[in-house]
Amino acid sequence: ETGVTQTPRHLVMGMTNKKSLKCEQHLGHNAMYWYKQSAKKPLELMFVYNFKEQTENNSVPSRFSPECPNSSHLFLHLHTLQPEDSALYLCASSHRGDRWGYGYTFGSGTRLTVV
Amino acid sequence: DAKTTQPTSMDCAEGRAANLPCNHSTISGNEYVYWYRQIHSQGPQYIIHGLKNNETNEMASLIITEDRKSSTLILPHATLRDTAVYYCIVRVEAGTGTASKLTFGTGTRLQVTL
Repeated sequence: ETGVTQTPRHLVMGMTNKKSLKCEQHLGHNAMYWYKQSAKKPLELMFVYNFKEQTENNSVPSRFSPECPNSSHLFLHLHTLQPEDSALYLCASSHRGDRWGYGYTFGSGTRLTVV
Repeated sequence: DAKTTQPTSMDCAEGRAANLPCNHSTISGNEYVYWYRQIHSQGPQYIIHGLKNNETNEMASLIITEDRKSSTLILPHATLRDTAVYYCIVRVEAGTGTASKLTFGTGTRLQVTL
């Protein structure tokens, strides 16, 4: 366990379904991130939250909707996804500005399959 | 953030030292060098980071050239469990009030063999 917990670990959903991915950390971090990793591609940063405020959205389609109710929890709400959205979705957290220098802590990810 | 160049793949015999190079010739003076690794189907794991001095921890050593244009991650005694993709990343330490981004490239796939 890294201290960042993602649920579920695996998810299969139809293109008309609505589902949510959950990320939780109790490391005292105050910045949280969603990354997408498609097969044989580098990790792509999707969203950045700093103290519950979204500070970055890297041109992510609106069918992905993030929510950060507090510094410890991050959600990714999914609706009307496409098969090409199948990927490993990773959550990470860090200290704001990472002044402590330990970088990011990643969860184990949610393996999403859209059918 | 500066871009990095890494070999696509490397092999290493178990028990030997694995030396993973990274080129970051456009690095700026305030950019740190970070190394992460990703074991298959898991999230990336922080290994080590440095600014200009060589660094060592329980996992690895980081050697940064004097001109800071390249670095080498050293796993002193590689094991089968070190088989992973290793990412070299350079980034600025963000100022107060901002979250710093971590941008991943394609990394080096290290295969440790018996």
